[in-house]
Amino acid sequence: EAGVAQSPRYKIIEKRQSVAFWCNPISGHATLYWYQQILGQGPKLLIQFQNNGVVDDSQLPKDRFSAERLKGVDSTLKIQPAKLEDSAVYLCASSPGYSGTFEQYFGPGTRLTVT
Amino acid sequence: GESVGLHLPTLSVQEGDNSIINCAYSNSASDYFIWYKQESGKGPQFIIDIRSNMDKRQGQRVTVLLNKTVKHLSLQIAATQPGDSAVYFCAENGGPFLNQGGKLIFGQGTELSVKP
Repeated sequence: EAGVAQSPRYKIIEKRQSVAFWCNPISGHATLYWYQQILGQGPKLLIQFQNNGVVDDSQLPKDRFSAERLKGVDSTLKIQPAKLEDSAVYLCASSPGYSGTFEQYFGPGTRLTVT
Repeated sequence: GESVGLHLPTLSVQEGDNSIINCAYSNSASDYFIWYKQESGKGPQFIIDIRSNMDKRQGQRVTVLLNKTVKHLSLQIAATQPGDSAVYFCAENGGPFLNQGGKLIFGQGTELSVKP
């Protein structure tokens, strides 16, 4: 089966600019996650969707970050305006959404550099 | 607060040796743990998981040990190969399995380097 797709793979922007990332999860996966991974650290959950509803966005900086999953399939994460500290890899993951496993399938990530 | 930490940031082993990667977790309510492998430029890849009602689980060349008394998790890799070189992360669910909705809290990671 096809894995989690993300685009773009790399993005360089100046601070105060806007940027958007796209994720297409594994077909049929109800749960979608966005993580931020700063260099040398583990992924940190930003937001979790169950179908098209938000389950957890407690660590999403809502003054500048937004995410949507309108049709319960693919998702976009936006940063507006970007700050230098937003430089990181943004990972998207998906899981089937049924109880029994927490295994999440990750995409390759988008590496964002804010200058 | 909720956190998962690792004892060693780097580990270097000789090809063919066994590797042990350690992880300490702080949330005693966590009842599910998972190990991921992340190669450079890629997303994390599932290795093995374990529930808190178990203290050991084996996979292909990997074993996870869970010690709930001291809140410690370890990943053992048998006959380590150059392809095992990567950063390894442990993660916990931070609370009762059925209540957490699939949330994972990741530790900092240990970089494993395998010398040929």
